[in-house]
Amino acid sequence: EAQVTQNPRYLITVTGKKLTVTCSQNMNHEYMSWYRQDPGLGLRQIYYSMNVEVTDKGDVPEGYKVSRKEKRNFPLILESPSPNQTSLYFCASSGDLAGGNIQYFGAGTRLSVL
Amino acid sequence: DAKTTQPNSMESNEEEPVHLPCNHSTISGTDYIHWYRQLPSQGPEYVIHGLTSNVNNRMASLAIAEDRKSSTLILHRATLRDAAVYYCILRDWVSSNTGKLIFGQGTTLQVKP
Repeated sequence: EAQVTQNPRYLITVTGKKLTVTCSQNMNHEYMSWYRQDPGLGLRQIYYSMNVEVTDKGDVPEGYKVSRKEKRNFPLILESPSPNQTSLYFCASSGDLAGGNIQYFGAGTRLSVL
Repeated sequence: DAKTTQPNSMESNEEEPVHLPCNHSTISGTDYIHWYRQLPSQGPEYVIHGLTSNVNNRMASLAIAEDRKSSTLILHRATLRDAAVYYCILRDWVSSNTGKLIFGQGTTLQVKP
């Protein structure tokens, strides 16, 4: 089954404690992306990756890092989490970026930073 | 990016058709019209997309106005499982090199048994 898998689904942590949210896709997609979803603000793109070793900032990259060492994995790293990073996070992947491209989303990771 | 306007909420009865409207008066010639939906506690899910012609798939139909300034997502027989937030999104396939989907507030669809 084609899917995007995020782990963990729920995470509670404290300010400053480094954490990683993993994202893996089994569709051999080149494109992957991270979004955060906040009430009243919709989904906003954090980082994206066009292919292995190619990443770039989205609209809200501050406080986040990513890496793309393998095509299937695209982890989101919070080196020093702060309470304003409390949010719902989604990873997405796509096979291409043509106009009709379909993006597949993970089930989400709900993060609370105390 | 061209913007879309959708009603905040709509209601439907189970097994009846639902027509979800979207206005995009500033759409450009290279914008595709996409629809995604987000069920409670889940990630967004692709529904359908089109450029100029009406489109059908197993989930829904997309009716695009002749001037492309509006479109309508049609669920032929709503089920309780269709209760979700529906997003109408424009994607410029020429200039968009970030792959970013711009999600607005969407339409919250409530389906009554």
